Amino acid sequence: DAGVTQSPTHLIKTRGQQVTLRCSPKSGHDTVSWYQQALGQGPQFIFQYYEEEERQRGNFPDRFSGHQFPNYSSELNVNALLLGDSALYLCASSLYRQRRNYGYTFGSGTRLTVV
Amino acid sequence: AQTVTQSQPEMSVQEAETVTLSCTYDTSESDYYLFWYKQPPSRQMILVIRQEAYKQQNATENRFSVNFQKAAKSFSLKISDSQLGDAAMYFCAYMGNMLTFGGGTRLMVKP
Repeated sequence: DAGVTQSPTHLIKTRGQQVTLRCSPKSGHDTVSWYQQALGQGPQFIFQYYEEEERQRGNFPDRFSGHQFPNYSSELNVNALLLGDSALYLCASSLYRQRRNYGYTFGSGTRLTVV
Repeated sequence: AQTVTQSQPEMSVQEAETVTLSCTYDTSESDYYLFWYKQPPSRQMILVIRQEAYKQQNATENRFSVNFQKAAKSFSLKISDSQLGDAAMYFCAYMGNMLTFGGGTRLMVKP
């Protein structure tokens, strides 16, 4: 049973560029949430997708956008990259109707470095 | 908005001894869930233990147990018989509409 898969593992981008991160949820899960984790800090919620729609959003600018596909996989897009966007980006999946009581399953993240 | 606070940036424990990690949270909701996650150097968040707010009984998973004090909005994690493999970042998390994390506690285990 595959867990949450994220790609790529590491990424280096130049300030001002755009980046796309990908996530495949755990088998049987239908909801994907994205988090940004700066070095030495706790993860910060970016947004959550269910039924191909953004259901909830954290305090992140519109430069951060996402998409969910019919197979439940998801993409996180960040435009006009800033140095401060350098972080570990975590994808988490869940079953929507059980997401509150069973929590999320996390991937190993994508380490984004903006230079 | 819910907030989660972990007041201990770092903790250290001797192998085979017991350590307690602290967590407090702020919420106006009555129905919620609390979690402790472990993040080793591999970066993947691993669920350690969960607690349902409407249950008074503290959750236990093998060597891991919690002390849930709902009125005080406190949710501490106790690790008994600490092992070298327990060394990691530990995050307390609150589940309301989404999962909100604290800032983490780095646990070091001394052999």
